[in-house]
Amino acid sequence: QKEVEQNSGPLSVPEGAIASLNCTYSDRGSQSFFWYRQYSGKSPELIMSIYSNGDKEDGRFTAQLNKASQYVSLLIRDSQPSDSATYLCAVKQAAGNKLTFGGGTRVLVKP
Amino acid sequence: GAVVSQHPSWVICKSGTSVKIECRSLDFQATTMFWYRQFPKQSLMLMATSNEGSKATYEQGVEKDKFLINHASLTLSTLTVTSAHPEDSSFYICSAFDRMGNQPQHFGDGTRLSIL
Repeated sequence: QKEVEQNSGPLSVPEGAIASLNCTYSDRGSQSFFWYRQYSGKSPELIMSIYSNGDKEDGRFTAQLNKASQYVSLLIRDSQPSDSATYLCAVKQAAGNKLTFGGGTRVLVKP
Repeated sequence: GAVVSQHPSWVICKSGTSVKIECRSLDFQATTMFWYRQFPKQSLMLMATSNEGSKATYEQGVEKDKFLINHASLTLSTLTVTSAHPEDSSFYICSAFDRMGNQPQHFGDGTRLSIL
Protein backbone atom coordinates (compact mmCIF):
# COMPACT_ATOMS: atom_id res chain seq x y z
CA GLN A 1 0.00 0.00 0.00
CA LYS A 2 1.37 3.37 -1.02
CA GLU A 3 1.93 5.81 1.81
CA VAL A 4 0.51 8.80 -0.05
CA GLU A 5 -2.03 8.24 -2.79
CA GLN A 6 -3.37 10.52 -5.47
CA ASN A 7 -5.44 9.98 -8.57
CA SER A 8 -3.02 10.30 -11.48
CA GLY A 9 -5.57 11.99 -13.74
CA PRO A 10 -5.55 13.76 -16.03
CA LEU A 11 -8.16 15.95 -14.44
CA SER A 12 -9.62 18.05 -17.20
CA VAL A 13 -11.47 21.22 -16.19
CA PRO A 14 -12.78 24.12 -18.26
CA GLU A 15 -11.28 27.54 -17.72
CA GLY A 16 -12.97 29.34 -14.85
CA ALA A 17 -14.18 26.15 -13.16
CA ILE A 18 -13.07 24.65 -9.86
CA ALA A 19 -10.48 21.89 -9.90
CA SER A 20 -10.67 19.50 -6.95
CA LEU A 21 -7.69 17.32 -6.09
CA ASN A 22 -7.60 14.63 -3.43
CA CYS A 23 -4.88 12.91 -1.46
CA THR A 24 -4.95 10.19 1.19
CA TYR A 25 -2.11 9.12 3.46
CA SER A 26 -1.42 6.12 5.64
CA ASP A 27 0.72 7.49 8.50
CA ARG A 28 -1.85 8.54 11.09
CA GLY A 29 0.79 10.44 13.05
CA SER A 30 1.60 12.82 10.18
CA GLN A 31 1.37 16.47 11.13
CA SER A 32 2.43 18.50 8.11
CA PHE A 33 0.92 18.46 4.64
CA PHE A 34 1.92 20.24 1.48
CA TRP A 35 0.75 20.77 -2.04
CA TYR A 36 3.35 21.39 -4.73
CA ARG A 37 2.83 22.32 -8.34
CA GLN A 38 5.25 20.95 -10.91
CA TYR A 39 5.41 22.06 -14.50
CA SER A 40 6.91 19.67 -17.00
CA GLY A 41 10.70 19.67 -16.77
CA LYS A 42 10.73 21.90 -13.70
CA SER A 43 11.19 21.27 -10.00
CA PRO A 44 8.23 21.39 -7.58
CA GLU A 45 6.97 24.73 -6.36
CA LEU A 46 5.18 25.03 -3.02
CA ILE A 47 1.56 26.16 -3.27
CA MET A 48 0.09 25.45 0.13
CA SER A 49 1.00 24.04 3.49
CA ILE A 50 -1.55 22.96 6.09
CA TYR A 51 -1.02 21.66 9.59
CA SER A 52 -4.40 21.61 11.33
CA ASN A 53 -7.84 20.28 10.49
CA GLY A 54 -10.09 22.49 8.43
CA ASP A 55 -9.66 24.81 5.49
CA LYS A 56 -6.83 27.15 4.60
CA GLU A 57 -7.25 29.65 1.80
CA ASP A 58 -4.60 31.47 -0.16
CA GLY A 59 -5.80 33.36 -3.20
CA ARG A 60 -7.47 30.95 -5.60
CA PHE A 61 -6.23 27.93 -3.66
CA THR A 62 -7.89 26.25 -0.70
CA ALA A 63 -6.38 23.31 1.14
CA GLN A 64 -8.57 21.10 3.29
CA LEU A 65 -7.32 18.68 5.92
CA ASN A 66 -9.16 15.94 7.76
CA LYS A 67 -6.76 14.01 9.96
CA ALA A 68 -9.43 11.60 11.21
CA SER A 69 -10.06 10.49 7.64
CA GLN A 70 -6.38 10.85 6.69
CA TYR A 71 -7.38 13.01 3.78
CA VAL A 72 -6.11 16.28 2.36
CA SER A 73 -7.46 18.09 -0.66
CA LEU A 74 -6.73 21.11 -2.82
CA LEU A 75 -9.29 23.26 -4.56
CA ILE A 76 -8.30 25.60 -7.37
CA ARG A 77 -10.96 28.22 -8.04
CA ASP A 78 -11.33 30.10 -11.30
CA SER A 79 -8.93 27.68 -12.99
CA GLN A 80 -6.63 29.19 -15.59
CA PRO A 81 -4.72 27.51 -18.43
CA SER A 82 -1.54 28.41 -16.53
CA ASP A 83 -2.73 26.10 -13.74
CA SER A 84 -2.18 23.13 -16.06
CA ALA A 85 0.51 21.14 -14.30
CA THR A 86 1.05 18.13 -12.07
CA TYR A 87 0.08 18.68 -8.46
CA LEU A 88 1.99 16.73 -5.85
CA CYS A 89 0.69 16.01 -2.39
CA ALA A 90 3.46 15.64 0.20
CA VAL A 91 3.25 14.47 3.78
CA LYS A 92 5.90 14.96 6.44
CA GLN A 93 6.37 11.88 8.54
CA ALA A 94 5.57 11.98 12.22
CA ALA A 95 9.26 11.51 12.99
CA GLY A 96 12.06 13.25 11.15
CA ASN A 97 11.99 15.74 8.30
CA LYS A 98 11.43 13.47 5.31
CA LEU A 99 8.61 14.22 2.93
CA THR A 100 6.72 11.43 1.23
CA PHE A 101 5.22 12.39 -2.10
CA GLY A 102 2.16 11.07 -3.82
CA GLY A 103 2.32 10.13 -7.47
CA GLY A 104 0.82 13.46 -8.52
CA THR A 105 -2.36 14.47 -10.31
CA ARG A 106 -2.07 15.97 -13.75
CA VAL A 107 -4.47 18.87 -14.27
CA LEU A 108 -5.43 20.20 -17.68
CA VAL A 109 -7.32 23.48 -17.84
CA LYS A 110 -8.93 23.96 -21.21
CA PRO A 111 -9.66 27.46 -22.53
CA GLY B 1 12.23 33.71 0.79
CA ALA B 2 14.64 30.84 1.17
CA VAL B 3 16.42 29.91 -2.04
CA VAL B 4 18.15 26.70 -3.02
CA SER B 5 20.49 26.83 -5.99
CA GLN B 6 21.38 23.71 -7.94
CA HIS B 7 24.12 23.40 -10.52
CA PRO B 8 24.43 22.35 -13.29
CA SER B 9 20.94 22.44 -14.69
CA TRP B 10 21.70 20.06 -17.54
CA VAL B 11 24.44 17.50 -18.11
CA ILE B 12 25.04 15.27 -21.10
CA CYS B 13 27.99 12.92 -20.90
CA LYS B 14 29.34 9.58 -21.99
CA SER B 15 28.73 6.32 -20.17
CA GLY B 16 31.33 5.72 -17.48
CA THR B 17 31.76 9.37 -16.60
CA SER B 18 31.32 10.58 -13.04
CA VAL B 19 29.09 13.61 -12.63
CA LYS B 20 28.95 16.00 -9.66
CA ILE B 21 25.84 18.02 -8.86
CA GLU B 22 25.93 20.89 -6.36
CA CYS B 23 23.14 22.08 -4.13
CA ARG B 24 23.53 25.36 -2.25
CA SER B 25 21.29 27.14 0.21
CA LEU B 26 21.76 30.81 -0.65
CA ASP B 27 20.27 32.74 2.26
CA PHE B 28 19.97 30.21 5.03
CA GLN B 29 21.95 27.46 6.68
CA ALA B 30 20.78 23.95 5.91
CA THR B 31 21.85 21.21 8.26
CA THR B 32 19.78 18.75 6.26
CA MET B 33 19.43 18.46 2.51
CA PHE B 34 17.58 15.86 0.50
CA TRP B 35 18.33 14.36 -2.87
CA TYR B 36 15.51 13.13 -5.08
CA ARG B 37 15.37 11.44 -8.43
CA GLN B 38 12.46 11.69 -10.81
CA PHE B 39 11.98 9.56 -13.91
CA PRO B 40 9.62 10.75 -16.68
CA LYS B 41 5.95 10.78 -15.66
CA GLN B 42 6.79 9.52 -12.17
CA SER B 43 6.82 11.21 -8.82
CA LEU B 44 9.82 12.26 -6.77
CA MET B 45 11.67 9.41 -5.11
CA LEU B 46 13.88 10.24 -2.16
CA MET B 47 17.38 8.90 -2.66
CA ALA B 48 19.15 10.07 0.45
CA THR B 49 19.22 12.52 3.31
CA SER B 50 22.38 14.59 3.51
CA ASN B 51 23.45 15.70 6.97
CA GLU B 52 26.07 18.40 7.50
CA GLY B 53 29.18 16.98 9.05
CA SER B 54 28.07 13.37 9.03
CA LYS B 55 27.34 10.51 6.66
CA ALA B 56 24.33 10.59 4.43
CA THR B 57 21.39 8.31 5.05
CA TYR B 58 20.38 6.39 1.97
CA GLU B 59 16.95 5.05 1.16
CA GLN B 60 16.48 1.35 0.58
CA GLY B 61 17.68 0.28 -2.83
CA VAL B 62 19.96 3.27 -3.43
CA GLU B 63 23.63 2.33 -3.80
CA LYS B 64 25.73 4.55 -1.57
CA ASP B 65 28.90 3.73 -3.52
CA LYS B 66 27.19 4.74 -6.74
CA PHE B 67 25.70 7.98 -5.46
CA LEU B 68 28.27 9.73 -3.29
CA ILE B 69 26.98 12.52 -1.10
CA ASN B 70 29.09 15.10 0.67
CA HIS B 71 27.67 17.79 2.95
CA ALA B 72 30.78 19.57 4.11
CA SER B 73 29.25 22.90 5.04
CA LEU B 74 25.93 24.35 6.16
CA THR B 75 25.26 25.72 2.70
CA LEU B 76 26.55 23.05 0.30
CA SER B 77 25.76 19.44 -0.46
CA THR B 78 27.06 17.56 -3.48
CA LEU B 79 25.85 14.42 -5.19
CA THR B 80 28.31 12.54 -7.37
CA VAL B 81 26.98 9.91 -9.72
CA THR B 82 29.96 7.63 -10.20
CA SER B 83 30.57 5.74 -13.43
CA ALA B 84 27.21 6.84 -14.76
CA HIS B 85 25.31 4.63 -17.18
CA PRO B 86 22.27 5.30 -19.37
CA GLU B 87 19.91 3.94 -16.70
CA ASP B 88 21.11 6.74 -14.40
CA SER B 89 19.64 9.30 -16.77
CA SER B 90 17.02 11.15 -14.77
CA PHE B 91 16.02 14.46 -13.22
CA TYR B 92 17.85 14.98 -9.93
CA ILE B 93 16.46 17.51 -7.47
CA CYS B 94 17.80 18.67 -4.14
CA SER B 95 15.91 20.32 -1.35
CA ALA B 96 16.60 21.74 2.08
CA PHE B 97 15.05 22.83 5.31
CA ASP B 98 16.55 25.77 7.14
CA ARG B 99 18.64 25.21 10.24
CA MET B 100 15.63 25.30 12.53
CA GLY B 101 13.92 22.60 10.51
CA ASN B 102 11.21 25.07 9.62
CA GLN B 103 8.72 24.20 6.96
CA PRO B 104 8.41 24.15 4.10
CA GLN B 105 11.04 22.30 2.21
CA HIS B 106 12.68 24.41 -0.52
CA PHE B 107 13.64 22.82 -3.82
CA GLY B 108 16.45 23.54 -6.21
CA ASP B 109 15.71 23.88 -9.92
CA GLY B 110 16.88 20.35 -10.64
CA THR B 111 19.56 18.80 -12.82
CA ARG B 112 18.66 16.86 -15.92
CA LEU B 113 21.27 14.16 -16.42
CA SER B 114 21.53 12.37 -19.77
CA ILE B 115 24.05 9.58 -20.15
CA LEU B 116 24.81 8.53 -23.70
